[in-house]
Amino acid sequence: QQPVQSPQAVILREGEDAVINCSSSKALYSVHWYRQKHGEAPVFLMILLKGGEQKGHDKISASFNEKKQQSSLYLTASQLSYSGTYFCGTVYIAGGTSYGKLTFGQGTILTVHP
Amino acid sequence: SAVISQKPSRDICQRGTSLTIQCQVDSQVTMMFWYRQQPGQSLTLIATANQGSEATYESGFVIDKFPISRPNLTFSTLTVSNMSPEDSSIYLCSVEDPDIVAGVTDTQYFGPGTRLTVL
Repeated sequence: QQPVQSPQAVILREGEDAVINCSSSKALYSVHWYRQKHGEAPVFLMILLKGGEQKGHDKISASFNEKKQQSSLYLTASQLSYSGTYFCGTVYIAGGTSYGKLTFGQGTILTVHP
Repeated sequence: SAVISQKPSRDICQRGTSLTIQCQVDSQVTMMFWYRQQPGQSLTLIATANQGSEATYESGFVIDKFPISRPNLTFSTLTVSNMSPEDSSIYLCSVEDPDIVAGVTDTQYFGPGTRLTVL
């Protein structure tokens, strides 16, 4: 079952902040975040394992709320280069272990204007 | 992370024909995956290809339509058979590249993709 991302699209001006959410109805083992620019392959940003940890990557960070089975991606002081489609990919827990394969959300289109 | 290349980068094909897409990795990897991304859509897993065993297909994808080979730990092919315009998509291979130091085993990295148009 596909995780649900929100919002579907967001438009920012340079320097503004954004939050993208990824929710699952199944127990999650890990959440993976990718950014894809038009005509290019998805680029791995970060992975979060169950345990509620938060990770950072320059001005992009993410959290994983195991209770809510939800992850949030935080983009602060956005730059033009942040524009693209952001996908979360989830690995579910089945039988006490990770199911292994990634299931992707529908994507969030982020546009940053000067 | 592993460096992944795909051939061809794009192709335009006639309906009823077949196209084989190659995926080459610069290091040995256990798990390779093939995805389809239809225009404006998310990524959908077609199959998982492990060396030395038959590929495992996801619901909605069958071996007769998408035969996969995995002859060694650095290479795989996906064939799109008897193509129709509905097969027009980007096809991406990915590999699982574990980060032993971080204790993370299932991070995936994607190749550049093959953009297929079927007329």
